[in-house]
Amino acid sequence: AQSVTQPDIHITVSEGASLELRCNYSYGATPYLFWYVQSPGQGLQLLLKYFSGDTLVQGIKGFEAEFKRSQSSFNLRKPSVHWSDAAEYFCAVGAKSSGDKLTFGTGTRLAVRP
Amino acid sequence: GAGVSQSPSNKVTEKGKDVELRCDPISGHTALYWYRQSLGQGLEFLIYFQGNSAPDKSGLPSDRFSAERTGGSVSTLTIQRTQQEDSAVYLCASKIGGGSYNEQFFGPGTRLTVL
Repeated sequence: AQSVTQPDIHITVSEGASLELRCNYSYGATPYLFWYVQSPGQGLQLLLKYFSGDTLVQGIKGFEAEFKRSQSSFNLRKPSVHWSDAAEYFCAVGAKSSGDKLTFGTGTRLAVRP
Repeated sequence: GAGVSQSPSNKVTEKGKDVELRCDPISGHTALYWYRQSLGQGLEFLIYFQGNSAPDKSGLPSDRFSAERTGGSVSTLTIQRTQQEDSAVYLCASKIGGGSYNEQFFGPGTRLTVL
């Protein structure tokens, strides 16, 4: 069965600083990997996804993520954080063999210092 | 409506009562998912509908939970004899289907509180 680990529950960064949110997955075959963001009172919004090909994927809002098979990781990065990035971030893994249902990590809550 | 809608947005009920949660997917989306988001458990898959195929119920936590999808569109998640541990936000998502690359679009959720 697939699983996702987000080791950081809370992260605080200063506005303008760089950000990296960690995600490790467990899955037997090539996974489909996603990052979602959830702002307070909002639904989940897809930031980016990886299926195959180039291991560095670009997403919305200036985010990117890099798939590293050797480390079973899919870390999310942003070079300069904005106050509006404060939210909860979820990494998820999906698999065609299981109907594309997503298995989510427990999330990382990001706070941004002015 | 361009997005997935869910109703009610909030539901407070007493332990032992039945509740129904509704999801209106994006028009034309053949795949529909229900997830539950609760404190300490994160986001968990509950059930998945794809077209006319039998639903994947592998994530339903007990036989008190059931869901149906009428006419390949609207879905209702029913929880019978609610328990306090059922308190959570229930999220619905829909997808065009026919390919894993397609994005799941999530609704705003229904916050269920069982007293």
